[in-house]
Amino acid sequence: AQSVTQLGSHVSVSEGALVLLRCNYSSSVPPYLFWYVQYPNQGLQLLLKYTSAATLVKGINGFEAEFKKSETSFHLTKPSAHMSDAAEYFCAHFSGNTPLVFGKGTRLSVIA
Amino acid sequence: GAVVSQHPSRVICKSGTSVKIECRSLDFQATTMFWYRQFPKQSLMLMATSNEGSKATYEQGVEKDKFLINHASLTLSTLTVTSAHPEDSSFYICSARQRDRVVHEQFFGPGTRLTVL
Repeated sequence: AQSVTQLGSHVSVSEGALVLLRCNYSSSVPPYLFWYVQYPNQGLQLLLKYTSAATLVKGINGFEAEFKKSETSFHLTKPSAHMSDAAEYFCAHFSGNTPLVFGKGTRLSVIA
Repeated sequence: GAVVSQHPSRVICKSGTSVKIECRSLDFQATTMFWYRQFPKQSLMLMATSNEGSKATYEQGVEKDKFLINHASLTLSTLTVTSAHPEDSSFYICSARQRDRVVHEQFFGPGTRLTVL
């Protein structure tokens, strides 16, 4: 069965510091991978997606992620954190025609 | 493009009543719609998958008689929570997959906050 694992339920960084949110996937077939952000009491916003084209994917708000097949990873990064980046981040994955499967989420806190 | 709406955004009801939530794809035809539930500080859990004109497929542990899903057209799916109880209080999010897209991306609605008193 396919799944995604997000390492760290809570990550705290200082404003201006590097953001690194980890996601590993398991799939027997090539996956489609996504990162979503959710602000309190709101729906999901797509940050970026990997669809087997370029392995380095750039998204909105300065985020990017790199697909590494050898490590089965799709970690999300941002060079410099802003206060407005504080939110819940979800990695998601599907293969073939299956529904999106979400990781448990990582809450990002940004300290001034 | 690819906008999904949900109505209502918030609903408060008494225990024992039924609540209907609508999910619409506004500018595209959705071959498949999905319903997720999210409890506070938790991830999204898939409840069911519905294809237009077909019966919904429910995930293990989700009561199909309690969570009625109707997908009558390519742009509308409804979730009815029947005889709601406080434990059904949650954030319900629908998602739609666009027809004829090469990559089966899912587009999400803004969610419906259900509170059962």
